Amino acid sequence: DAGVIQSPRHEVTEMGQEVTLRCKPISGHNSLFWYRQTMMRGLELLIYFNNNVPIDDSGMPEDRFSAKMPNASFSTLKIQPSEPRDSAVYFCASSWAGQGSYNEQFFGPGTRLTVL
Amino acid sequence: SQQGEEDPQALSIQEGENATMNCSYKTSINNLQWYRQNSGRGLVHLILIRSNEREKHSGRLRVTLDTSKKSSSLLITASRAADTASYFCATDDMRFGAGTRLTVKP
Repeated sequence: DAGVIQSPRHEVTEMGQEVTLRCKPISGHNSLFWYRQTMMRGLELLIYFNNNVPIDDSGMPEDRFSAKMPNASFSTLKIQPSEPRDSAVYFCASSWAGQGSYNEQFFGPGTRLTVL
Repeated sequence: SQQGEEDPQALSIQEGENATMNCSYKTSINNLQWYRQNSGRGLVHLILIRSNEREKHSGRLRVTLDTSKKSSSLLITASRAADTASYFCATDDMRFGAGTRLTVKP
């Protein structure tokens, strides 16, 4: 397996533009997580899905952020409109979850987003 | 939130020495996990310890869990320069603390 795949790896955009980040989890995993990492705020859990259903989106900063998982092999995180404070590295991770606990997470390489 | 909090924030040691970092959490857990992050990369899973386990080993890593104190420790023995990284713990809700930044000097 190629591991968790994220695209793009780098994104530079201007304030106000729509940004879409993509993630392909490891085949067979039933849970997917989106994280954001900055120096100031550390590693924040934005949202996670179990069996393609959003379980906890309390970490999504505001309505400008939305995430979808239309099927078990694909998820998107969209920011519309983007702002400079959204600049960060966004990680996607997947794992197998059973009986209320999560097992080892596998992280993607991240998308480095810069909003000018 | 069950978010784990790592301590110390930063640790600098010489190659060959042991490194110990700690994690504290607030509520009861099913398991606790430790991860490593090299600069600019995604986190890599190191070890998972379940609530009914007290100690677990993996190579040069030793993890302990004290559920009565709601704390865990990660010991890296005979450290190497390649161990330089940030180390994070996470509990059931998969939220991470600020991490411990370990620097191992050659």
